[in-house]
Amino acid sequence: AQSVTQLGSHVSVSEGALVLLRCNYSSSVPPYLFWYVQYPNQGLQLLLKYTSAATLVKGINGFEAEFKKSETSFHLTKPSAHMSDAAEYFCAVSGNFGNEKLTFGTGTRLTIIP
Amino acid sequence: EPEVTQTPSHQVTQMGQEVILRCVPISNHLYFYWYRQILGQKVEFLVSFYNNEISEKSEIFDDQFSVERPDGSNFTLKIRSTKLEDSAMYFCASSGHLRDRTYEQYFGPGTRLTVT
Repeated sequence: AQSVTQLGSHVSVSEGALVLLRCNYSSSVPPYLFWYVQYPNQGLQLLLKYTSAATLVKGINGFEAEFKKSETSFHLTKPSAHMSDAAEYFCAVSGNFGNEKLTFGTGTRLTIIP
Repeated sequence: EPEVTQTPSHQVTQMGQEVILRCVPISNHLYFYWYRQILGQKVEFLVSFYNNEISEKSEIFDDQFSVERPDGSNFTLKIRSTKLEDSAMYFCASSGHLRDRTYEQYFGPGTRLTVT
């Protein structure tokens, strides 16, 4: 069984500040990990994924995440927040067989303060 | 860029009625999924579909739900007798392109189902 925990349902950062959204996972097999973003009234868009290659993963819009097995974490970061980053962010985990179901966290709503 | 499409964007139905939610996955994808998101809650897996059969389903996906790929392009979710608690945003996703195994699930924009 797999699960993810996202710490902080709401995060606010100032424009230009570091964005850090936390995700910890639990998995009985080596996991694949994903971050999705959801803008208001839109679907889910993949930001980045970890599929057992490089542990530091770079995604779209300047986001990156680092897989840390020892900490069972996959935190999402961006050096400098932009107003357009305001959205809901979901961490998700799947098994490593490929094309398995995604198990999502409860999401973190990111607000950018001008 | 190819995308997953869903129709309708919003469906209002009365309790006990049947609804069919429609999805057109990305061409040449092999795996298809339905997820739902009740307002204010997390996205939950319902069912996955591969090679014209269900490959996995959650405990939510009971006998009231069914999926079908009636032709080469559409993928549908049917709820036979809707309940108030079925009100949610339903997302379709597809993955597994024939040419590259990227394991990325591409999501449609969702259908908001409101049961009254």
